[in-house]
Formats: sequence, C-alpha cells, structure tokens
Amino acid sequence: KAGVTQTPRYLIKTRGQQVTLSCSPISGHRSVSWYQQTPGQGLQFLFEYFSETQRNKGNFPGRFSGRQFSNSRSEMNVSTLELGDSALYLCASSLRGASYNSPLHFGNGTRLTVT
Amino acid sequence: AQSVTQLDSHVSVSEGTPVLLRCNYSSSYSPSLFWYVQHPNKGLQLLLKYTSAATLVKGINGFEAEFKKSETSFHLTKPSAHMSDAAEYFCVVSESGGYNKLIFGAGTRLAVHP
Repeated sequence: KAGVTQTPRYLIKTRGQQVTLSCSPISGHRSVSWYQQTPGQGLQFLFEYFSETQRNKGNFPGRFSGRQFSNSRSEMNVSTLELGDSALYLCASSLRGASYNSPLHFGNGTRLTVT
Repeated sequence: AQSVTQLDSHVSVSEGTPVLLRCNYSSSYSPSLFWYVQHPNKGLQLLLKYTSAATLVKGINGFEAEFKKSETSFHLTKPSAHMSDAAEYFCVVSESGGYNKLIFGAGTRLAVHP
C-alpha cells in the first residue's frame, strides 16, 4: 500500500507570494491533517479535514488555509508569505482521525523556504 | 487540556546499551498516547501506541513503552541501541474525542555512538 505522498518536496518562495502544497493520503484514509514543524516551535497542528470538511483548526492566522477533495487528497495554501513561514510542512492521514485505533501516517513533508 | 513533556532534549548512548527516553503527560481524560520517530529529512513514523488494553506496549524495532497512570508517564525504552536508532523521538498525546489534534512533545534527539 502506498504511503502518504506530499508534493513538492522542496519549495523556495519570496515574501509576499503565495504557495500551495499537496498531499495524497493512504488509500481508504478519509482524514488528512497538516502540521508545521520549525526548530523554534516544534510540531504544531494546522488543521484537519475529514470527508471534505474542516473538522479542527489550530492557532494559525487566516493566511493558512486548506481544503480536501472528494478523493481525500488535500491541499494547503499559504498567502502573503512571511519569513517565519519557512518550515517543514507535514501531512498525515488516518482512517477516522487521530486516536489510538486510527493512528496518523505521515508523509515526508514539504520544506518551504521563504526569502 | 492535554500536554506532554519530554524530559530530555538530547540523549546519548553507546551502541548495545539500553535506551530510555522519558515522557510525562497531562490529561483530564483517558489519553491516547503515541511515540513517533523522525529520521533526518523524513516524516514521522509511528513506533507504538497505547491502548487501554495493556500498560506495556511493544512497538517496532524492539522499542517498548510502559503507561504508568500513577506517575502520568509513558517512557520509551529499548534494551540495546543500534546505530540506526539515531533520530528524533516525539511523545504524543491525542486530545479526547478521537477526532482531534495531536499534541507533540518538544522531541528528544537520540545519538548513538560506536
């Protein structure tokens, strides 16, 4: 079974631009979550989608948004990029959502660098 | 609210010696607990998960963790370290309800020396 696939692996953008990251979950998984990983803040939850609906959201500004398609693939968009948005963005999928009987499976991430 | 504290930011061991990575959690409910490992430039891989069925949980690659409610701890251990175990390890608690976000610890970087 193929794992979680994130594209692209690396991105370099300039301040003020916008960016879209893509995530294809494991086949059959309906929940997709996004996390931001930085050296200073560690791993922080961005949002979770389940059956095309945002079910939970972390404490990030409105510049961060996402969506999920009917095939469970998800995209994350960041508008008006700031230097502090430089991070590894991780996508994770699960059958139903983060719980002991439905653990998260992570992709290898997209490393975004904002200059 | 749930939280998790990893007591050591760095742990260094020699190959073949035991590994102990410490984690304390705070939860108002019966928690779901996990350990994940992250190798450089990779995503996170699930090592093991706690279910209420057993307090001693066995995971992949010889790792295990013991859930101790009285101590609110979920320490990760391995009897004998291997060079390939060098990575960052995250203790994670899931908020109640089953559908909610994961709360990650700050991580423990494990170094394994020959």
